[in-house]
Amino acid sequence: DAKTTQPTSMDCAEGRAANLPCNHSTISGNEYVYWYRQIHSQGPQYIIHGLKNNETNEMASLIITEDRKSSTLILPHATLRDTAVYYCIVSGTYKYIFGTGTRLKVLA
Amino acid sequence: SAVISQKPSRDICQRGTSLTIQCQVDSQVTMMFWYRQQPGQSLTLIATANQGSEATYESGFVIDKFPISRPNLTFSTLTVSNMSPEDSSIYLCSAWVRGERGDTDTQYFGPGTRLTVL
Repeated sequence: DAKTTQPTSMDCAEGRAANLPCNHSTISGNEYVYWYRQIHSQGPQYIIHGLKNNETNEMASLIITEDRKSSTLILPHATLRDTAVYYCIVSGTYKYIFGTGTRLKVLA
Repeated sequence: SAVISQKPSRDICQRGTSLTIQCQVDSQVTMMFWYRQQPGQSLTLIATANQGSEATYESGFVIDKFPISRPNLTFSTLTVSNMSPEDSSIYLCSAWVRGERGDTDTQYFGPGTRLTVL
């Protein structure tokens, strides 16, 4: 079973920030939090990952709580092209266990 | 980042035949994997493709059905053997690419091969 829990779906208005939560209450000390998205059955696209510090790159920001039991992926200015299924994955090895993800729909 | 290519991108096959999918990575690779995504489902790991040795299969997947080769660091093939309609899925390869300038390694995915078995 996946080690993460995500809402099944979310809507976000175009131009607004999309905040996607992920619960990983059983995360171990050596496990990273990874985020990927999958647009219309294409291969999953890497977004960002982190261990315990908040991270930011050109695509998104990742906020990890101090106890590391949950995290939030932030897309600062969502566009229609951000409509996708977003997967939060916790792993300390090279293997991923995918959950069902959050289906984000960006509305015009 | 890394570019991962897969061939073919899609195919329609007859029951009982086999299809070999190729995966090529353009970067320094540490690990390679094969996943399956059945219609409307999430991704499921099939196996780890090991260079120069037999692949390591996850529970529910066997070598006779999904033989895998990895003749070098950046290339792997997955064969779906003796296909049935239940094998209709998207098959994806992935690779862990070595991080640059002290960054951690990152896993990237290919575009997938959409297989339909009639």
